[in-house]
Amino acid sequence: DAGVIQSPRHEVTEMGQEVTLRCKPISGHDYLFWYRQTMMRGLELLIYFNNNVPIDDSGMPEDRFSAKMPNASFSTLKIQPSEPRDSAVYFCASRGTASYNEQFFGPGTRLTVL
Amino acid sequence: GNSVTQMEGPVTLSEEAFLTINCTYTATGYPSLFWYVQYPGEGLQLLLKATKADDKGSNKGFEATYRKETTSFHLEKGSVQVSDSAVYFCALVNAGNNRKLIWGLGTSLAVNP
Repeated sequence: DAGVIQSPRHEVTEMGQEVTLRCKPISGHDYLFWYRQTMMRGLELLIYFNNNVPIDDSGMPEDRFSAKMPNASFSTLKIQPSEPRDSAVYFCASRGTASYNEQFFGPGTRLTVL
Repeated sequence: GNSVTQMEGPVTLSEEAFLTINCTYTATGYPSLFWYVQYPGEGLQLLLKATKADDKGSNKGFEATYRKETTSFHLEKGSVQVSDSAVYFCALVNAGNNRKLIWGLGTSLAVNP
């Protein structure tokens, strides 16, 4: 099993540009989570999906952030327009119903907004 | 509400020293408790878990016991190695919380040779 796959691993962009982060969960997992990690705020849950449906997006910081899951094997997190304070590591994680709440994390995308 | 409090780091130890990282929680009902580890440049991975009071989770020489009376889940290892240098996160999930993991802020551990 390839595990959770995220792309790109690193992204450097300028303020105001659109950023799209991608995630492929583990096959068969029906939950997908997007997290943001910074030194100041630690690990924050942004949004999570169950069976491709967004369940809780209360952690999405503002309207500039949006997430989609068009099918069971793909999700995107988009920031438009990006700002320097969005600089962080963004993790995607997935979980199967049978895995008793163990979440499997991807390697993360390190985003730098200049 | 549900919350997790971890001891602040960084924690710096010499190889073969004893490790304790404290974790306490606040939760309604009967949560499940977890320790995740994040090695440098990687995502988090599950280290151990406990699903009910008095359970002991263990893995890779690490242990933690679910203490309901003290609402604690302290992580311990008898002899740390340089390769244990990482950030450790305590977390809980409560059935009444839409099964979201509630995370501590993480504790950074550095083990020197």
